[in-house]
Amino acid sequence: GENVEQHPSTLSVQEGDSAVIKCTYSDSASNYFPWYKQELGKRPQLIIDIRSNVGEKKDQRIAVTLNKTAKHFSLHITETQPEDSAVYFCAASINTDKLIFGTGTRLQVFP
Amino acid sequence: DGGITQSPKYLFRKEGQNVTLSCEQNLNHDAMYWYRQDPGQGLRLIYYSQIVNDFQKGDIAEGYSVSREKKESFPLTVTSAQKNPTAFYLCASSTGRGDLRGTQYFGPGTRLLVL
Repeated sequence: GENVEQHPSTLSVQEGDSAVIKCTYSDSASNYFPWYKQELGKRPQLIIDIRSNVGEKKDQRIAVTLNKTAKHFSLHITETQPEDSAVYFCAASINTDKLIFGTGTRLQVFP
Repeated sequence: DGGITQSPKYLFRKEGQNVTLSCEQNLNHDAMYWYRQDPGQGLRLIYYSQIVNDFQKGDIAEGYSVSREKKESFPLTVTSAQKNPTAFYLCASSTGRGDLRGTQYFGPGTRLLVL
């Protein structure tokens, strides 16, 4: 079955710097890749997603890139702010069926 | 997210007891999901249902049961066979249609603790 690996597990950056989180997936049939942000004790919230017919997608300070050949996708956050501090999860699915999640990245943005 | 609710927020289980977690959505979504989250870990799929009166096991279904008698509701029962049930349980739903197909929206979660 599908397996998703996520790196790094923790990431600390200075406010204003960029942060990059990377995920790899095993099943080449996967075609939907969402990213979720989870603050402590709260529900995961979708922040951006990409489908396999697109190589990159941006939404203000957040962008996701997808490399289908290498089977990896990345989340890029620019001009980080303290409120970006949270745990970020990537996920992959085939034909929008069940999602397989990565193990999460704890991002800390220091003022 | 406001359209999917879970109750209770906290639940305490005694040894040998079955407990049921509620999940309701008014988003008219066809699919619903249950995940378990342990501290510092990712989300693991317990059960999912893509249509009323049908559901499939996820990766960690042992010790859990579900039903899907109504489109809006997908309750999860944690049975006494689940020996380590302490975790944060998240319910999610998604639509299979249009540009938002497959996007899962999560409820606020239920934290289950064993007495």
